[in-house]
Amino acid sequence: DTEVTQTPKHLVMGMTNKKSLKCEQHMGHRAMYWYKQKAKKPPELMFVYSYEKLSINESVPSRFSPECPNSSLLNLHLHALQPEDSALYLCASSPRQTGNSYNEQFFGPGTRLTVL
Amino acid sequence: AQKITQTQPGMFVQEKEAVTLDCTYDTSDPSYGLFWYKQPSSGEMIFLIYQGSYDQQNATEGRYSLNFQKARKSANLVISASQLGDSAMYFCAMREQGYSTLTFGKGTMLLVSP
Repeated sequence: DTEVTQTPKHLVMGMTNKKSLKCEQHMGHRAMYWYKQKAKKPPELMFVYSYEKLSINESVPSRFSPECPNSSLLNLHLHALQPEDSALYLCASSPRQTGNSYNEQFFGPGTRLTVL
Repeated sequence: AQKITQTQPGMFVQEKEAVTLDCTYDTSDPSYGLFWYKQPSSGEMIFLIYQGSYDQQNATEGRYSLNFQKARKSANLVISASQLGDSAMYFCAMREQGYSTLTFGKGTMLLVSP
């Protein structure tokens, strides 16, 4: 199984809502990532988890709250978002966070988020 | 300074023709990896090909090959015999040994016409 799954595919939420994005992989990878991607731009790294611990937070606003309940699952909790947070949110996993320069990242299909 | 530069915002090619997408990079790390990803309009980032800095031969994967010129710090993607399904955004990315994350270029939008 070389797949990263993400749910939901699409999400529309108001600025006062609380919602969560879910990401799952069963490849035994120990590093998982959240990226934010605006239209026609490259992905921007938000968070990295390594062995279920938060390793990198790229100065992301606290209205985004990541969680890694176990080695297969990664959540992104959303609260009080702004319209400019509308974007494609991509999850990725890799065998480990550091190591040789290969360490390919496998991406999920993404969640398209619209904040009204 | 940008670490990954993709100078072609858009490229057009006819079906069955070959196309080259440019990528130059900047690093002082002797050990690094270069990746190409394809992103169709559906959004998923699809891994295409990888080249390691110590690899002696250019990487190939089916219709994809990487023209790696280390002295010039370029890693161009060559797609042979383009297909309509190749229409997508293509990102070049680099991972340096001392870092755990990918650095992406701005991308090139490829449109393949019949």
